[in-house]
Amino acid sequence: DTAVSQTPKYLVTQMGNDKSIKCEQNLGHDTMYWYKQDSKKFLKIMFSYNNKELIINETVPNRFSPKSPDKAHLNLHINSLELGDSAVYFCASSLDSNDYEQYFGPGTRLTVT
Amino acid sequence: GQQVMQIPQYQHVQEGEDFTTYCNSSTTLSNIQWYKQRPGGHPVFLIQLVKSGEVKKQKRLTFQFGEAKKNSSLHITATQTTDVGTYFCAGQGSNYKLTFGKGTLLTVNP
Repeated sequence: DTAVSQTPKYLVTQMGNDKSIKCEQNLGHDTMYWYKQDSKKFLKIMFSYNNKELIINETVPNRFSPKSPDKAHLNLHINSLELGDSAVYFCASSLDSNDYEQYFGPGTRLTVT
Repeated sequence: GQQVMQIPQYQHVQEGEDFTTYCNSSTTLSNIQWYKQRPGGHPVFLIQLVKSGEVKKQKRLTFQFGEAKKNSSLHITATQTTDVGTYFCAGQGSNYKLTFGKGTLLTVNP
C-alpha cells in the first residue's frame, strides 16, 4: 500500500564508511527525487531523475551517487561518509518533472559517528 | 539561483488563535506548493497555486498566490492542536526544480 518507501529507516555508521539508501515508488510516477533535511529542518534538493535520466544535479559532493535502475527505483550511495552527512534523507516522486505535487517517503535518518 | 524566503521561522499560538506564514521568491514562479510536516514525519502535499492572484481554501486553511507570482501566504483560522507541524512553501520556477522555503514551525498551546 505504501506509495513511496525507503530503506533503511535509520542508519548509524562510522566516518569513512560507504552506505546506500534505497527508494521505491509504486505510483507509476516518472520522476523521483532525493532531498536532504538538516537539523534545522531545511529541505534541499540533491538529485532528480525523470524516467531513469538525471535531470537535476545540485551542488552535491561527488561522494554522493544516485542510481535509477528503473523509473520506480532511485537509490543513493554515499562514499566515505563524513560527520556533516548526518541528516534525514527523503526520497520523493511526482507524476513527471513538470508542476506536479511530490509524494515523499518516510525518510532515512542517517547518523555518522 | 532561485531563492524562497519564508517567515516567521517559528510561531507559537494559543488554540483558537489564527496563524499566517508568508513566502517570498526572488524570481517569478510558475507555481507554488505548500507542504506540512508533522514532528518526526515527512512532508505532505497540501495544495498547489498556479494562477496570479489565486486564492484557495481547505476548511480552515486559506492559501494565496500574489499577483506578481512571487509571494504566497497560508492562513489558518482558529488553530487546533492537530495543526502542529512545520509548514513549507515550495516554489517552482522555469526549471524542474522545486525550491523549498525554510519552513515555519507552528506550535499550539491547548
